[in-house]
This record gives sequence, structure tokens and C-alpha cells, in this order.
Amino acid sequence: DQQVKQNSPSLSVQEGRISILNCDYTNSMFDYFLWYKKYPAEGPTFLISISSIKDKNEDGRFTVFLNKSAKHLSLHIVPSQPGDSAVYFCAAKSEGAQKLVFGQGTRLTINP
Amino acid sequence: KAGVTQTPRYLIKTRGQQVTLSCSPISGHRSVSWYQQTPGQGLQFLFEYFSETQRNKGNFPGRFSGRQFSNSRSEMNVSTLELGDSALYLCASSLEGARGYGYTFGSGTRLTVV
Repeated sequence: DQQVKQNSPSLSVQEGRISILNCDYTNSMFDYFLWYKKYPAEGPTFLISISSIKDKNEDGRFTVFLNKSAKHLSLHIVPSQPGDSAVYFCAAKSEGAQKLVFGQGTRLTINP
Repeated sequence: KAGVTQTPRYLIKTRGQQVTLSCSPISGHRSVSWYQQTPGQGLQFLFEYFSETQRNKGNFPGRFSGRQFSNSRSEMNVSTLELGDSALYLCASSLEGARGYGYTFGSGTRLTVV
């Protein structure tokens, strides 16, 4: 039972354009959402997070949007840079839980 | 400051054997969590330890076990290895638990079962 889903295994975007990565969840008890970025042979690194009481959080080129009614979140990267090429995981957490539930990941490729 | 250190980085084992993986958290971090990453499955939560106590456990068979020592270092053990156990095993450390930027992953141990 996949509670967090990233339905696009891969995404290709031209350098300088916007990258939009999507994530859907099913568990309404999730109250905190995160995005991680992973390069090959490295562990995931934290990018940005959002609490369920917000609908948007911005950090430099990265913005996360949360639509609670649709149980959907997205990560926008503007402008996209070659160094953004990596696998992106969305993750969710329930209040009081000490574990993250991850999606399957989306491989983002930024083309020059 | 030093990050999360996992050893060994790579491991090849034969079916039926057992294996122990090690994770040294960031100094001062008391929570250590373990995840299994396989292609197409994302990261699956195995268990979380805090101050030597297991607080959470994921949906994995009893062949997967772990422990945490008084210095917060953690080990994960898999007994009677199966081919399907081949995966990247990641640990993450934090001061208290799973929350944002303070939840830091190591580079993982790549286990191959043949």
C-alpha cells in the first residue's frame, strides 16, 4: 500500500526553464511533507519542507506547494540548472511518528 | 562537523548468510533510523532507535533487526539473506527524530546478495 506516490519516474527539462515534480498521498494523517534530492552513490539530502497548515513554502529557486483537499504536493524549481539533475523523493510524516514515508522518486534531467 | 558514516560502503554476500551494517550518527544526535532503498520502491522504513531503545519498526520480517549503543552508534543485522534483500541501506540521524533539515542521511551501504 503506497501511501506516497510519485507517478512520473522521470522528467526531462531544458536548462533555465521550470521543473515541476509532483507527489500524491493517501493518508490524511500526514501533517508534514519534505522533498529530498539524491545523487548517485550519495544519501538523500534535504531540500525543502512544508507543514500541513501552509499551502506554500519558498526557499530560493525551490518552492513547494501543498493542496490538502487534493492530497497533492509539488516542487517547483526555477530556473532549472544542470546541477539539479538528480533523483527527487517526496516524503511525508504523521504527527508523533518518527519515520518518513517516501515516494518512489522521480529522476530529473536538466538538458543544456 | 562529520556527517553520518556508514560502513562498509559495499558488500557482497551469499544467500543464507547473515550481515551486519554499521551507522555512526552525527555527534550529539540520539536518533538513528534505517531505510531500505530498492529500484521502484523508494525508501522503505526499517526501524528507528532513540537512546538505545527501538521506538518504531517498519513492516519487515524478523530477519531484519537492529540495535543502538550508548554512544548512539547503530548496527543493523539481516539474517538468512535472500536475493530480494539486495538493496541500498541508508541510515539517518537526528537530534530527536524525523523532521526536515536536521534529519541527515549517510551515503548508504550497497548490499548485493548472490
